[in-house]
Amino acid sequence: TQLLEQSPQFLSIQEGENLTVYCNSSSVFSSLQWYRQEPGEGPVLLVTVVTGGEVKKLKRLTFQFGDARKDSSLHITAAQPGDTGLYLCALSRYGNKLVFGAGTILRVKS
Amino acid sequence: DAGVIQSPRHEVTEMGQEVTLRCKPISGHDYLFWYRQTMMRGLELLIYFNNNVPIDDSGMPEDRFSAKMPNASFSTLKIQPSEPRDSAVYFCASSLLEGGTYTFGSGTRLTVV
Repeated sequence: TQLLEQSPQFLSIQEGENLTVYCNSSSVFSSLQWYRQEPGEGPVLLVTVVTGGEVKKLKRLTFQFGDARKDSSLHITAAQPGDTGLYLCALSRYGNKLVFGAGTILRVKS
Repeated sequence: DAGVIQSPRHEVTEMGQEVTLRCKPISGHDYLFWYRQTMMRGLELLIYFNNNVPIDDSGMPEDRFSAKMPNASFSTLKIQPSEPRDSAVYFCASSLLEGGTYTFGSGTRLTVV
């Protein structure tokens, strides 16, 4: 059974602060996706990372894939209230169906 | 494309009643997934289809739950009889590839009283 852990479970910060959330797996995976879910909506894809050590940037969001392909991080610079939501990581092994983590609930206060 | 369309958005029903949730995937997507989301258990995969054929239903909680995909553009998830513990948000998602990008619908919030 794959184990996918996200931390922290909950994060409440002030507007303008930086933050990092983590996603860790007990096994190597072939690709990892990050989704954001806003209240009342379904998860929406932010990014897919497939190469060990890969770094992708999406405006103020920086995604990093660990060299060993077992972990990933999402860093948000100067968080804004619009960043509030549930951040989910999901991994696939050998093209099989995605396994989702429990998510990190982020609240950014203005 | 309008994305994945789910209906209804909200459903309130009495215990024991039959509930049917509906999903229209993105045209051309070969995979369709049904998820249930609760605060306690997070996002749980219930069942998924490939080319209208059920591939893995190991996440279906019990025989009260059933899902069908009669054609490439429509799927249903039925609960009969419904129980209060079935209250959750149910999501449908579709994808071109099994491990590819999933596009989720807006979900159906089910409340069983």
